[in-house]
Amino acid sequence: ETGVTQSPTHLIKTRGQQVTLRCSSQSGHNTVSWYQQALGQGPQFIFQYYREEENGRGNFPPRFSGLQFPNYSSELNVNALELDDSALYLCASSMGQNYGYTFGSGTRLTVV
Amino acid sequence: AQTVTQSQPEMSVQEAETVTLSCTYDTSENNYYLFWYKQPPSRQMILVIRQEAYKQQNATENRFSVNFQKAAKSFSLKISDSQLGDTAMYFCAFMKHNFPGGKLIFGQGTELSVKP
Repeated sequence: ETGVTQSPTHLIKTRGQQVTLRCSSQSGHNTVSWYQQALGQGPQFIFQYYREEENGRGNFPPRFSGLQFPNYSSELNVNALELDDSALYLCASSMGQNYGYTFGSGTRLTVV
Repeated sequence: AQTVTQSQPEMSVQEAETVTLSCTYDTSENNYYLFWYKQPPSRQMILVIRQEAYKQQNATENRFSVNFQKAAKSFSLKISDSQLGDTAMYFCAFMKHNFPGGKLIFGQGTELSVKP
């Protein structure tokens, strides 16, 4: 049982468009992180939210933004899509670092 | 900045045999966590094993164990009695000790194939 659900599983968008990816975490998981995984690469940290506030950001431009909601769900928004944004986007949630992170199965985004 | 290096892009092992995946990392931190994650074709990243840097004892989880050498900054994963279901990408990851939870820094991955 994964405990972290991401939607949609696959998505195709056109360059310049905007996209919203969603993640539903387990109850009590008040920390959520988003990662971008390009084909054949390890995941790269985008940002993290703790109790609905951004709590850390990786080397991604401001057109990558997020939200975390009180019901343990979260969103990743990407504006002005570029071809290089094509990747698997992973959501990971945790009750705290001592518990480790639980990952979802990801959303495969293709930008054409 | 922290970095994680996995020098073996691909490995294969016969079913029931033992295989070791290598990982080295670079950090100036003293308190941190190290992880091995498994990513099968289903794409979900599954935690295999976790090591806290302040613990000298190597972590074990059933058939999975690590060899943690803090001074050498090495963190290898040993899989004993390999099973077909172990076929997957394996990622080594580093996380600085940070409240409420730090970012994971992943290596490039090792693709493991278990052959019957």
